[in-house]
Amino acid sequence: GAVVSQHPSWVICKSGTSVKIECRSLDFQATTMFWYRQFPKQSLMLMATSNEGSKATYEQGVEKDKFLINHASLTLSTLTVTSAHPEDSSFYICSARGHSRGASGPDTQYFGPGTRLTVL
Amino acid sequence: DAKTTQPTSMDCAEGRAANLPCNHSTISGNEYVYWYRQIHSQGPQYIIHGLKNNETNEMASLIITEDRKSSTLILPHATLRDTAVYYCIVRVGGSQGNLIFGKGTKLSVKP
Repeated sequence: GAVVSQHPSWVICKSGTSVKIECRSLDFQATTMFWYRQFPKQSLMLMATSNEGSKATYEQGVEKDKFLINHASLTLSTLTVTSAHPEDSSFYICSARGHSRGASGPDTQYFGPGTRLTVL
Repeated sequence: DAKTTQPTSMDCAEGRAANLPCNHSTISGNEYVYWYRQIHSQGPQYIIHGLKNNETNEMASLIITEDRKSSTLILPHATLRDTAVYYCIVRVGGSQGNLIFGKGTKLSVKP
């Protein structure tokens, strides 16, 4: 399958600071990227969807000014958690969909390994 | 909201086939069924997907009933490394739709 990477894999920050998480599709062009959040013992929750060069579409209840998403190229999307607080501590997972050469087809969504954010 | 129903948990003996059921009684004609799994503290891994026909790949087989209201993911020879949460997802909105995750099935493969 296609490969999606995330950086960093984990980050600890102080309350009030901003944190940027990078998501890259390594072997295909991702026309659409997704950001999910997962709290302990819960399922993944979709936060936002972005197409390359366009503004992100946020799910209901997700603050767009707090979670800044930039999908600057077909292989890179970033999520910036601004003024992070302890309640933002979570597992953030990106996903990408595009023209993969994999046998699963171009519409399959592949996920990154996730970023564990801890806000003190 | 997720459009699928899965058992909360299942056990399987190592080396045996694991059969994971999923109900999606409200599925529409152009909606695909996707299966992903998530091993603890990792991102979800794509397994397989299908529309109407049964599908097989190197990881698993997907059996979809004729009325498309349910499906079964089959891991033919489960290993300890197959222990994970398995998500059955109906992708709403056709090929450009989003994946909305439900609670999934926690599969425990035991020696």
